[in-house]
Amino acid sequence: GQNIDQPTEMTATEGAIVQINCTYQTSGFNGLFWYQQHAGEAPTFLSYNVLDGLEEKGRFSSFLSRSKGYSYLLLKELQMKDSASYLCAVIPGGSYIPTFGRGTSLIVHP
Amino acid sequence: GAGVSQSPRYKVTKRGQDVTLRCDPISSHATLYWYQQALGQGPEFLTYFNYEAQPDKSGLPSDRFSAERPEGSISTLTIQRTEQRDSAMYRCASSLARGNEQYFGPGTRLTVT
Repeated sequence: GQNIDQPTEMTATEGAIVQINCTYQTSGFNGLFWYQQHAGEAPTFLSYNVLDGLEEKGRFSSFLSRSKGYSYLLLKELQMKDSASYLCAVIPGGSYIPTFGRGTSLIVHP
Repeated sequence: GAGVSQSPRYKVTKRGQDVTLRCDPISSHATLYWYQQALGQGPEFLTYFNYEAQPDKSGLPSDRFSAERPEGSISTLTIQRTEQRDSAMYRCASSLARGNEQYFGPGTRLTVT
Protein backbone atom coordinates (compact mmCIF):
# COMPACT_ATOMS: atom_id res chain seq x y z
CA GLY A 1 0.00 0.00 0.00
CA GLN A 2 0.90 3.65 -0.01
CA ASN A 3 2.15 5.38 3.12
CA ILE A 4 2.23 9.12 3.77
CA ASP A 5 3.61 10.50 7.04
CA GLN A 6 3.19 14.01 8.41
CA PRO A 7 3.43 15.41 11.94
CA THR A 8 0.02 15.60 13.57
CA GLU A 9 0.35 19.08 15.00
CA MET A 10 2.74 22.04 14.98
CA THR A 11 2.65 25.42 16.64
CA ALA A 12 4.43 28.61 15.56
CA THR A 13 4.48 32.31 16.26
CA GLU A 14 3.01 35.01 14.06
CA GLY A 15 5.69 36.41 11.76
CA ALA A 16 7.90 33.33 12.03
CA ILE A 17 8.78 30.62 9.49
CA VAL A 18 7.54 27.04 9.78
CA GLN A 19 8.45 23.91 7.82
CA ILE A 20 5.95 21.05 7.56
CA ASN A 21 7.51 17.76 6.50
CA CYS A 22 5.98 14.91 4.54
CA THR A 23 7.60 11.55 3.88
CA TYR A 24 6.09 8.98 1.58
CA GLN A 25 6.54 5.39 0.48
CA THR A 26 4.68 4.66 -2.72
CA SER A 27 4.93 2.36 -5.70
CA GLY A 28 6.47 4.81 -8.14
CA PHE A 29 5.72 8.52 -8.18
CA ASN A 30 3.59 10.78 -10.35
CA GLY A 31 3.50 13.99 -8.34
CA LEU A 32 2.98 15.50 -4.89
CA PHE A 33 0.43 18.10 -3.84
CA TRP A 34 -0.02 20.30 -0.79
CA TYR A 35 -3.49 21.45 0.23
CA GLN A 36 -4.64 23.81 2.97
CA GLN A 37 -7.83 23.05 4.88
CA HIS A 38 -9.33 25.47 7.38
CA ALA A 39 -11.58 23.97 10.04
CA GLY A 40 -15.00 23.13 8.63
CA GLU A 41 -14.01 24.03 5.08
CA ALA A 42 -12.92 22.27 1.91
CA PRO A 43 -9.24 21.64 1.10
CA THR A 44 -7.73 24.22 -1.27
CA PHE A 45 -4.75 23.65 -3.56
CA LEU A 46 -1.42 25.21 -2.55
CA SER A 47 1.35 23.63 -4.61
CA TYR A 48 2.45 20.81 -6.89
CA ASN A 49 5.88 19.19 -7.24
CA VAL A 50 6.84 16.52 -9.72
CA LEU A 51 10.56 17.27 -10.19
CA ASP A 52 13.18 17.62 -7.46
CA GLY A 53 13.72 21.07 -6.07
CA LEU A 54 11.96 24.07 -4.65
CA GLU A 55 8.77 25.67 -5.99
CA GLU A 56 8.12 29.14 -4.62
CA LYS A 57 4.77 30.86 -4.60
CA GLY A 58 4.59 34.00 -2.50
CA ARG A 59 4.90 33.22 1.21
CA PHE A 60 4.62 29.48 0.53
CA SER A 61 7.31 27.21 -0.94
CA SER A 62 7.34 23.47 -1.45
CA PHE A 63 10.36 21.22 -1.83
CA LEU A 64 10.65 17.71 -3.21
CA SER A 65 13.34 15.03 -3.10
CA ARG A 66 12.12 11.96 -4.99
CA SER A 67 15.15 9.86 -4.06
CA LYS A 68 14.44 10.43 -0.36
CA GLY A 69 10.64 10.23 -0.63
CA TYR A 70 10.49 13.57 1.10
CA SER A 71 8.77 16.92 0.72
CA TYR A 72 8.29 19.97 2.87
CA LEU A 73 6.03 22.98 2.82
CA LEU A 74 7.65 26.19 4.02
CA LEU A 75 5.45 29.02 5.25
CA LYS A 76 7.10 32.41 5.78
CA GLU A 77 5.88 35.51 7.61
CA LEU A 78 3.20 33.51 9.35
CA GLN A 79 -0.19 35.09 9.83
CA MET A 80 -3.00 34.07 12.16
CA LYS A 81 -5.08 33.06 9.13
CA ASP A 82 -2.48 30.39 8.31
CA SER A 83 -3.82 28.34 11.23
CA ALA A 84 -5.21 25.34 9.35
CA SER A 85 -4.55 21.72 8.48
CA TYR A 86 -1.97 21.12 5.73
CA LEU A 87 -2.46 17.97 3.69
CA CYS A 88 0.26 16.23 1.71
CA ALA A 89 -1.02 14.06 -1.16
CA VAL A 90 1.02 11.78 -3.43
CA ILE A 91 0.03 10.21 -6.74
CA PRO A 92 1.78 6.84 -7.08
CA GLY A 93 3.25 5.64 -10.35
CA GLY A 94 0.78 4.41 -12.96
CA SER A 95 -2.12 6.05 -11.13
CA TYR A 96 -4.23 9.19 -11.20
CA ILE A 97 -5.46 8.79 -7.63
CA PRO A 98 -3.82 10.84 -4.87
CA THR A 99 -3.21 9.26 -1.49
CA PHE A 100 -3.62 11.88 1.24
CA GLY A 101 -1.75 12.06 4.51
CA ARG A 102 -3.79 12.68 7.65
CA GLY A 103 -2.75 16.34 7.65
CA THR A 104 -0.70 18.56 9.94
CA SER A 105 -2.68 20.92 12.12
CA LEU A 106 -0.77 24.21 12.33
CA ILE A 107 -1.61 26.60 15.15
CA VAL A 108 -0.26 30.13 14.80
CA HIS A 109 -0.26 32.16 18.00
CA PRO A 110 0.46 35.87 18.56
CA GLY B 1 -19.74 27.01 -12.74
CA ALA B 2 -17.70 29.18 -10.42
CA GLY B 3 -16.71 26.31 -8.17
CA VAL B 4 -17.64 22.80 -7.14
CA SER B 5 -20.99 22.55 -5.42
CA GLN B 6 -22.55 19.70 -3.49
CA SER B 7 -26.02 19.05 -2.21
CA PRO B 8 -27.41 18.58 0.27
CA ARG B 9 -24.89 20.11 2.66
CA TYR B 10 -26.32 18.09 5.54
CA LYS B 11 -28.33 14.90 5.47
CA VAL B 12 -29.77 12.98 8.40
CA THR B 13 -31.29 9.63 7.56
CA LYS B 14 -32.47 6.56 9.37
CA ARG B 15 -30.59 3.31 9.20
CA GLY B 16 -31.75 1.23 6.26
CA GLN B 17 -32.79 4.16 4.06
CA ASP B 18 -31.15 4.98 0.74
CA VAL B 19 -29.47 8.35 0.20
CA THR B 20 -28.20 10.11 -2.91
CA LEU B 21 -25.60 12.83 -2.78
CA ARG B 22 -25.00 15.21 -5.67
CA CYS B 23 -21.88 16.90 -7.00
CA ASP B 24 -21.79 19.67 -9.58
CA PRO B 25 -18.16 20.09 -10.75
CA ILE B 26 -16.47 23.02 -12.46
CA SER B 27 -17.92 22.94 -15.96
CA SER B 28 -14.67 22.58 -17.91
CA HIS B 29 -13.32 19.78 -15.71
CA ALA B 30 -13.04 16.30 -17.15
CA THR B 31 -12.26 14.44 -13.95
CA LEU B 32 -14.39 14.08 -10.83
CA TYR B 33 -13.43 12.32 -7.59
CA TRP B 34 -15.46 11.22 -4.58
CA TYR B 35 -13.86 11.04 -1.14
CA GLN B 36 -14.87 10.25 2.41
CA GLN B 37 -13.23 12.41 5.06
CA ALA B 38 -13.30 11.66 8.77
CA LEU B 39 -12.61 14.42 11.27
CA GLY B 40 -8.89 15.01 11.67
CA GLN B 41 -8.00 12.84 8.67
CA GLY B 42 -7.20 13.42 5.04
CA PRO B 43 -9.73 12.55 2.32
CA GLU B 44 -10.01 8.83 1.54
CA PHE B 45 -10.58 7.91 -2.10
CA LEU B 46 -13.87 6.27 -3.04
CA THR B 47 -14.10 6.44 -6.83
CA TYR B 48 -13.42 8.70 -9.78
CA PHE B 49 -14.75 9.54 -13.24
CA ASN B 50 -13.00 10.70 -16.36
CA TYR B 51 -15.80 12.28 -18.35
CA GLU B 52 -18.55 9.66 -17.99
CA ALA B 53 -16.22 6.68 -17.64
CA GLN B 54 -15.52 5.31 -14.17
CA PRO B 55 -12.03 3.82 -14.40
CA ASP B 56 -11.62 3.08 -10.70
CA LYS B 57 -14.11 2.35 -7.95
CA SER B 58 -11.75 0.39 -5.75
CA GLY B 59 -12.30 2.68 -2.76
CA LEU B 60 -16.04 2.08 -2.46
CA PRO B 61 -16.47 0.32 0.92
CA SER B 62 -19.16 -2.12 -0.17
CA ASP B 63 -21.58 -2.88 -2.97
CA ARG B 64 -24.13 -0.66 -1.19
CA PHE B 65 -22.16 2.29 -2.59
CA SER B 66 -22.46 3.31 -6.23
CA ALA B 67 -21.77 6.41 -8.27
CA GLU B 68 -22.79 7.75 -11.66
CA ARG B 69 -21.83 10.52 -14.01
CA PRO B 70 -24.00 9.75 -17.04
CA GLU B 71 -23.33 12.89 -19.10
CA GLY B 72 -19.83 13.63 -17.91
CA SER B 73 -20.83 16.57 -15.73
CA ILE B 74 -23.00 16.19 -12.59
CA SER B 75 -22.33 13.11 -10.50
CA THR B 76 -24.30 11.31 -7.83
CA LEU B 77 -23.14 9.00 -5.05
CA THR B 78 -25.81 6.63 -3.78
CA ILE B 79 -25.65 4.64 -0.58
CA GLN B 80 -28.27 1.92 -0.25
CA ARG B 81 -29.50 0.51 3.06
CA THR B 82 -27.45 3.01 5.05
CA GLU B 83 -25.67 1.91 8.20
CA GLN B 84 -24.43 3.99 11.11
CA ARG B 85 -20.83 3.45 10.04
CA ASP B 86 -21.63 5.32 6.80
CA SER B 87 -21.87 8.56 8.82
CA ALA B 88 -19.11 10.80 7.49
CA MET B 89 -18.28 13.86 5.40
CA TYR B 90 -18.47 13.04 1.71
CA ARG B 91 -16.45 15.33 -0.52
CA CYS B 92 -16.39 15.71 -4.25
CA ALA B 93 -13.49 17.24 -6.17
CA SER B 94 -12.94 18.01 -9.83
CA SER B 95 -9.83 18.63 -11.91
CA LEU B 96 -9.18 19.79 -15.45
CA ALA B 97 -7.57 16.46 -16.27
CA ARG B 98 -6.43 13.34 -14.46
CA GLY B 99 -3.46 14.02 -12.21
CA ASN B 100 -4.01 17.78 -12.01
CA GLU B 101 -4.73 19.77 -8.87
CA GLN B 102 -8.19 19.20 -7.49
CA TYR B 103 -10.88 21.67 -6.54
CA PHE B 104 -13.00 20.45 -3.67
CA GLY B 105 -16.65 21.02 -2.95
CA PRO B 106 -17.99 21.98 0.50
CA GLY B 107 -19.00 18.39 1.23
CA THR B 108 -22.13 16.64 2.42
CA ARG B 109 -22.24 15.74 6.11
CA LEU B 110 -24.17 12.48 6.34
CA THR B 111 -25.52 11.28 9.67
CA VAL B 112 -27.19 7.88 9.90
CA THR B 113 -29.30 7.44 13.02
